[in-house]
Amino acid sequence: QVQLQESAPGLVKPSQTLSLTCSVSGGSIRSAEYYWTWLRQSPGKGLEWIGHTYYSGRAFYNPSLKSRVSLSVDTSKNQFSLKLNSLTAADTAVYFCARDVNGGHFDVWGQGTLVTVAS
Amino acid sequence: QSVLTQPPSVSGTPGQRVTISCSGSSSNIGGNSVFWYQQLPGAAPKVVIYSSSQRPSGVPDRFSASKSGASASLTISGLQSEDEAHYFCAAWEDGLSGPVFGGGTKLTVL
Repeated sequence: QVQLQESAPGLVKPSQTLSLTCSVSGGSIRSAEYYWTWLRQSPGKGLEWIGHTYYSGRAFYNPSLKSRVSLSVDTSKNQFSLKLNSLTAADTAVYFCARDVNGGHFDVWGQGTLVTVAS
Repeated sequence: QSVLTQPPSVSGTPGQRVTISCSGSSSNIGGNSVFWYQQLPGAAPKVVIYSSSQRPSGVPDRFSASKSGASASLTISGLQSEDEAHYFCAAWEDGLSGPVFGGGTKLTVL
């Protein structure tokens, strides 16, 4: 049973860079079948796709965030990571990592981590 | 403003049938599979429908879904109190290389 676990940065300041890691257990990240994905959900709002990466490291990003976001994979640690820079209060959200089986079919999710951007 | 349009809320009494709609366009729902997620308070979403109408193992057959053109719907029959949750629709967006979501519908079991 594959499980995902996000790191927990908690409170970050405006203009800083958010760094999150998703650890994959119970299975290997080395599979061409899956997109390893980051999403976020602002308080009381819907879900937003941030981007996804393959185990090869090739990544795709939401155009609305592309200038500020970077995704990476560390196959030796079975982890994938998110960096989002130039943070503002609008980036306050619960951030989820998830496994995409087929174009929007997220079959495994992390529990989510609340990121608050405030000074 | 979400790309896919859902009603903000629906409600029903135990045993009733409720339907949640999801409206999109030819670049998402119209040309791709639709997925439905259930989200309980404080929890991550859980897929209840994939490939527009398929139920994962473990999801009760009270959950069903369909798609027609650029619209989709989720139907829950024999409503139970445990079904009270937020429900989101999702579909791949051509040109985005990623999925788009509905704003979510809060289902209240009265």
